[in-house]
Amino acid sequence: EIVLTQSPGTLSLSPGERATLSCRASQSVSTNYLAWYQQKPGQAPRLLIYGASSRATGVPDRFSGSGSGTDFTLTISRLEPEDFAVYYCQQYGSSPNTFGQGTKLEIK
Amino acid sequence: QMQLVQSGPEVKKPGTSMKVSCKASGFTFSSSAMQWVRQVRGQRLEWIGWIVVDTSNTNYAQKFQEKVTIIRDMSTSTTYLELSSLRSEDTAVYYCAAASGFGSGWYAFDIWGQGTMVTVSS
Repeated sequence: EIVLTQSPGTLSLSPGERATLSCRASQSVSTNYLAWYQQKPGQAPRLLIYGASSRATGVPDRFSGSGSGTDFTLTISRLEPEDFAVYYCQQYGSSPNTFGQGTKLEIK
Repeated sequence: QMQLVQSGPEVKKPGTSMKVSCKASGFTFSSSAMQWVRQVRGQRLEWIGWIVVDTSNTNYAQKFQEKVTIIRDMSTSTTYLELSSLRSEDTAVYYCAAASGFGSGWYAFDIWGQGTMVTVSS
């Protein structure tokens, strides 16, 4: 099973700042099948990034994904108030699909 | 509009079974794949398993192997998650999510249901 470790656990930033979230895999992610999701309280996760670097439909271009193999990054270039949420990475290239433990992005 | 609509909240006794439904609309159900994920309050997302709708092939996380079944009904574009031998630790929100473009070679779980709260309590 591929273990995904996200860092930091909590990130405190202000609107307008840049956010960098990390997701590290215990072994290489097959075909870069790595996704990022945003989850707000009481809501289902929302797909932001798939295939490590492709933005899902309707996702603002301030969100970008990068990385390959075992190291992946989600970057939010300029934080908007609605971006403060919990972010999860998921690898879906090897069964069992697994999730990271999440990074909480909070307002400083 | 592509969407997944899940069945309503359930309260179950320990040792019993549950069955949650997930109805798809707005995309080609037969060309999709569906995963089921759960989330205990305040904790991370946990992958349960998935089904390739066209072939009905399934794959489950080892933790759930003995108690989970995922099936689909093509006539109603609905996927079902069945969990048996429920315990209090199974209390969680259960989500279905579709990879709507799976049959077209585009693989990402882009559509999520609203979640179903299942409470296991005596």
